[in-house]
Amino acid sequence: GAGVSQSPSNKVTEKGKDVELRCDPISGHTALYWYRQSLGQGLEFLIYFQGNSAPDKSGLPSDRFSAERTGGSVSTLTIQRTQQEDSAVYLCASSQTKTGIGGYTFGSGTRLTVV
Amino acid sequence: TQLLEQSPQFLSIQEGENLTVYCNSSSVFSSLQWYRQEPGEGPVLLVTVVTGGEVKKLKRLTFQFGDARKDSSLHITAAQPGDTGLYLCAGVEGGSNYKLTFGKGTLLTVNP
Repeated sequence: GAGVSQSPSNKVTEKGKDVELRCDPISGHTALYWYRQSLGQGLEFLIYFQGNSAPDKSGLPSDRFSAERTGGSVSTLTIQRTQQEDSAVYLCASSQTKTGIGGYTFGSGTRLTVV
Repeated sequence: TQLLEQSPQFLSIQEGENLTVYCNSSSVFSSLQWYRQEPGEGPVLLVTVVTGGEVKKLKRLTFQFGDARKDSSLHITAAQPGDTGLYLCAGVEGGSNYKLTFGKGTLLTVNP
């Protein structure tokens, strides 16, 4: 597609439920990133994919968080047993090159609210 | 530990004024980028600087990368209400060739 597409744009879930967030990167972009943006905290790195593999998962905050990428394209971020502190905007980005030097293209994000 | 410190955190000015936003670190970056984010949207890349001392201009915006590649500044001349937004600096650390580390941002409001 023309840009990075994320769905849903908003998600309200009850504490303890599982959620899936989807990211459809720009066609041909091999690198894909997930970040989390909380008020006053800036953008926090979660995970990096190169193709279908995830060489850097170091930012995932707990084992309740997981992500996968299939076909070198669409990625899904899953949060199990959601907690209130998981409330944030989850941003996906992709880049054309293997490095971040050329810049990322971000989606509009999924605003997750855990009640 | 916040790797990239941005200042000021908030800035409210009148249309037509000039302003400078700073991004500082004790780490060396192989490149540094500036993004602008509007409410409900993801950050949008404005510029990438790679060479120490580099200056880039984008209309009324001037970006500078420090000689030691540890800091950067964004200067806006004659600010307009359309410049309102969250300005984020982000750097690719020398030890990583893919991961961007972001500052917390400067929230700029330009009043008409």
